[in-house]
Amino acid sequence: AQTVTQSQPEMSVQEAETVTLSCTYDTSESNYYLFWYKQPPSRQMILVIRQEAYKQQNATENRFSVNFQKAAKSFSLKISDSQLGDTAMYFCAFRSGNTGNQFYFGTGTSLTVIP
Amino acid sequence: KAGVTQTPRYLIKTRGQQVTLSCSPISGHRSVSWYQQTPGQGLQFLFEYFSETQRNKGNFPGRFSGRQFSNSRSEMNVSTLELGDSALYLCASSFSQLERETQYFGPGTRLLVL
Repeated sequence: AQTVTQSQPEMSVQEAETVTLSCTYDTSESNYYLFWYKQPPSRQMILVIRQEAYKQQNATENRFSVNFQKAAKSFSLKISDSQLGDTAMYFCAFRSGNTGNQFYFGTGTSLTVIP
Repeated sequence: KAGVTQTPRYLIKTRGQQVTLSCSPISGHRSVSWYQQTPGQGLQFLFEYFSETQRNKGNFPGRFSGRQFSNSRSEMNVSTLELGDSALYLCASSFSQLERETQYFGPGTRLLVL
C-alpha cells in the first residue's frame, strides 16, 4: 500500500520569504504521479503543482516549485515570495499509475504567512 | 467552465438516519471520486466511478455506497449514520482515468451527525 507522510503539521513564514514543505512517500511502483494541493480555510481544495515520476526535471508553477528526489522518495514544495493568500493547509498526494484514480494524501501542513 | 459542484453544502443528521450527497463534475469529466476528510484521519478515499461503473473502492463499510448517472453526476449514500461519520465529504472529477489526469475538487459537503 502507498503511504504519504508530511512531518510538519504547522509552519509559518514571513511575507515575501521562502518556505519549503516536506513530503515523503512509500511505494514499490515505478510509474506514479505526485501532487500538491492547497486548501484555504473554509474553501475548496485546489491544485498547486504536479509531478510525473518518470520526469527528472522538477516541476515549477510561478512561485511554486518542487524538489523531487525519486530515489529518496521525497517530494518537497518550495513557495517563493510568500503571499498572505498562500495561508492554507497544504496536502501532498500520490497517485498510482496502475490503480486508476485513487489518490493517497498526507495529513497536511498548515502554513501561515505572517504580514 | 463551471467547477465541481456539491449539494448540499451543509447537513445535520441524527444517528441512524441516512443521507444522500450529490456531486456534479466539471462538464466533460467522466470520472468522479469521493473522499472523506476528518481531523483525525485526514483525507481518505471512498470510491471512484467512471462511466457509471465503480472502478475503485476504499476501505469503508458497506453503509457507504455510491452511484453515477449517465450524465456523470454522482451521488453517495450513507445509511445508518454514526457519530464518526461526521466529516467533510469531498468530490473530485477528472476527464478520464488516464494517469496524467488531475483531479479537481468540489467545495465539499459538511455532514454533522448528532
